[in-house]
Amino acid sequence: AQKVTQAQTEISVVEKEDVTLDCVYETRDTTYYLFWYKQPPSGELVFLIRRNSFDEQNEISGRYSWNFQKSTSSFNFTITASQVVDSAVYFCALSEGYGQNFVFGPGTRLSVLP
Amino acid sequence: KAGVTQTPRYLIKTRGQQVTLSCSPISGHRSVSWYQQTPGQGLQFLFEYFSETQRNKGNFPGRFSGRQFSNSRSEMNVSTLELGDSALYLCASSLSGNTDTQYFGPGTRLTVL
Repeated sequence: AQKVTQAQTEISVVEKEDVTLDCVYETRDTTYYLFWYKQPPSGELVFLIRRNSFDEQNEISGRYSWNFQKSTSSFNFTITASQVVDSAVYFCALSEGYGQNFVFGPGTRLSVLP
Repeated sequence: KAGVTQTPRYLIKTRGQQVTLSCSPISGHRSVSWYQQTPGQGLQFLFEYFSETQRNKGNFPGRFSGRQFSNSRSEMNVSTLELGDSALYLCASSLSGNTDTQYFGPGTRLTVL
């Protein structure tokens, strides 16, 4: 069965620090999709990135970067030079295909202090 | 392009009642999924609809049901409400299914007294 683990329940950093949020997944499929979402205090889930299992290239988008490693079943998310507005709960998620369950990790609450 | 909308945003019901929540997807999106978010269980998949057919259902009792209309709008219904049904219910839409990017609505906060 598919499973997503985010071992860090809460992280606190001071503004401008770099922070990495860990995500480890389990799946028996060779084709799958990984996602990261951000949930700010307003409650709405905001899409950050989608990655399929055949694309192991790391990705950078501004201050955000993602490290996908199939060998360790990890899809970690790094925020560089964190800002107070980055404070939110971040979810990693896994989909094995159309018609399959979509599984979220438990989330990591990130607090960026000024 | 308008985002996913959900109505109502807040709802208070008592045990035993039933409730219907509504979701309007992004124009052109044919897949709508529903999720329940609680502090104890986190985000859990309820069901997905595509072209008016339920394509998949999560591990929830039969009191939770849904449907999708020809315009892709979706409703979910919870009958015989229990205190444990208090949660944030999120709807997400995507082009064809949950391997595509899902865009979430603001949610409906249901409180069962």
